[in-house]
Amino acid sequence: DAGVIQSPRHEVTEMGQEVTLRCKPISGHDYLFWYRQTMMRGLELLIYFNNNVPIDDSGMPEDRFSAKMPNASFSTLKIQPSEPRDSAVYFCASSLGQDYSYEQYFGPGTRLTVT
Amino acid sequence: AQSVTQPDIHITVSEGASLELRCNYSYGATPYLFWYVQSPGQGLQLLLKYFSGDTLVQGIKGFEAEFKRSQSSFNLRKPSVHWSDAAEYFCAVGARRGSGNTGKLIFGQGTTLQVKP
Repeated sequence: DAGVIQSPRHEVTEMGQEVTLRCKPISGHDYLFWYRQTMMRGLELLIYFNNNVPIDDSGMPEDRFSAKMPNASFSTLKIQPSEPRDSAVYFCASSLGQDYSYEQYFGPGTRLTVT
Repeated sequence: AQSVTQPDIHITVSEGASLELRCNYSYGATPYLFWYVQSPGQGLQLLLKYFSGDTLVQGIKGFEAEFKRSQSSFNLRKPSVHWSDAAEYFCAVGARRGSGNTGKLIFGQGTTLQVKP
């Protein structure tokens, strides 16, 4: 299996622009998670889906952030408009609910820089 | 509510020395416990996990961890550290199936390991 795939790996954008991060989970996994990692705040769970349905979005910082999962093999995290404080590494992870451990597999991350 | 505490933000050890990274959790029952490692510029990789049974679990790269229910701890150990072990280490806890399991993991703040030559 190719593992969790994220694109792009690096994104540099100007303040006010729309940013879209993409994730392809491991085939067959039914949970998908979006995390943000910064030096100041560590690893934060933003939102997660089960069977393409958002379960908990309480970690989404504000209305500028939105996430969708139109099908089992694709999810997006969108920031509109972007701000410099959104600069971080964004990780996507997936897990198999039928696996009683809910072990999560992480993608390589997208490093976002907003200038 | 579930929580995970990693008391040491940063640890430095000499190559060849032993290592112990601390993890304490708060949870109403016996949870699932995990250790992940993150090398610079990489995603998180699972080192080992505890579900049940033997409280000493073996993982990849020569790591092991011991679950101590009485202390609510799940400390990570390695007998002899290699320079390539320098990374950030995360402890995580998850609820067992049927015990309010939401499918998500709670992560600690991480411990950065530096290895001196």
